[in-house]
Amino acid sequence: DAKTTQPNSMESNEEEPVHLPCNHSTISGTDYIHWYRQLPSQGPEYVIHGLTSNVNNRMASLAIAEDRKSSTLILHRATLRDAAVYYCILSKSGGYGTDKLIFGTGTRLQVFP
Amino acid sequence: EAQVTQNPRYLITVTGKKLTVTCSQNMNHEYMSWYRQDPGLGLRQIYYSMNVEVTDKGDVPEGYKVSRKEKRNFPLILESPSPNQTSLYFCASSSGGGVTEAFFGQGTRLTVV
Repeated sequence: DAKTTQPNSMESNEEEPVHLPCNHSTISGTDYIHWYRQLPSQGPEYVIHGLTSNVNNRMASLAIAEDRKSSTLILHRATLRDAAVYYCILSKSGGYGTDKLIFGTGTRLQVFP
Repeated sequence: EAQVTQNPRYLITVTGKKLTVTCSQNMNHEYMSWYRQDPGLGLRQIYYSMNVEVTDKGDVPEGYKVSRKEKRNFPLILESPSPNQTSLYFCASSSGGGVTEAFFGQGTRLTVV
């Protein structure tokens, strides 16, 4: 299974944009890039996912490098509620046994008022 | 409201006493999984199910059993719990394997003494 590498921690001030990087140099052509976050004392929560093109939703944007070996999760205006551990995950499309999200240790994001 | 419900949220038990952690989803999802989360190890998949009566081992299945008799329910069974199964457990469901959003329950914190 392809691995992802993320910084252990990052800091931001409230209402500033946050760019969370992820390296996945061994990604294969069928791997989707997912981002989840886990707030304290809660289960992981889906943020966004994509394959090749950049993606936007109400929570965040996902910028995927042209060679797909890295991606960046962008929170446009951080709030205190965005303080969480963010996981960048690769998962394969289709086929038996592909419903597996391989969580690394993630990036702990601190947001300061 | 889309929901994955786990029960109980907290459980303290003794070594060897069989227990079941229930998981139910209301989204008619085909895929369901169990994960355990341990400090420094992240979330690891225990078992997963692609549909009713279809289950398979994840990365850390030893000491666990599952069943999928109905689409909405996916209980995790510990026939003879041991202290090394003390952990935080999460159930998840999704509609399309590794390419769609997964929904996680709130977690079950299990302590085996």
